[in-house]
Amino acid sequence: SAVISQKPSRDICQRGTSLTIQCQVDSQVTMMFWYRQQPGQSLTLIATANQGSEATYESGFVIDKFPISRPNLTFSTLTVSNMSPEDSSIYLCSVENLGGYTFGSGTRLTVV
Amino acid sequence: EDQVTQSPEALRLQEGESSSLNCSYTVSGLRGLFWYRQDPGKGPEFLFTLYSAGEEKEKERLKATLTKKESFLHITAPKPEDSATYLCAVRPTNFGNEKLTFGTGTRLTIIP
Repeated sequence: SAVISQKPSRDICQRGTSLTIQCQVDSQVTMMFWYRQQPGQSLTLIATANQGSEATYESGFVIDKFPISRPNLTFSTLTVSNMSPEDSSIYLCSVENLGGYTFGSGTRLTVV
Repeated sequence: EDQVTQSPEALRLQEGESSSLNCSYTVSGLRGLFWYRQDPGKGPEFLFTLYSAGEEKEKERLKATLTKKESFLHITAPKPEDSATYLCAVRPTNFGNEKLTFGTGTRLTIIP
């Protein structure tokens, strides 16, 4: 199955700054997915990233806040912009693989 | 709107004490129901995909079953290493909709 390398694994950031999270997949995939998992909550899809086109955002998420890049079929980045403490969450990338979905190990973000 | 409800929220079992976790779902059409295991500080680990009512899948001490309204994850003679949060998710049949809807999970603790 696909292996995803996600980094950073964790970070503590000042409010008002931005953080870019990277996901590298060991095989070519059409779609990559970005999720947020707030403390004590389940996973919520932020956006779907296709190579060569703009990401598709879910209700409640906007490109200005969560810009996504997808320069090729194995790599994607998610930026969390102008952060506030409410952005403190675990951020995860995911790809469809062999009938299921494989997830990265997550980025634990704390905004202070 | 697709909905997934998992119960119980938390479950504590003695080692060797078998039990079941429930995942009730509402979806316009089911293209797949997924079970994941998530350890603290890590991304979800894929366990099973179920596609149609009556289907069952097994892996070591775990067995997943599916009906038209719910899925069960049966755990037989659990060991402490089975302690984790178990997540259920559904994918609808809408063409072009790859969005997974997750439940909030069951936090399972196996006491030695």
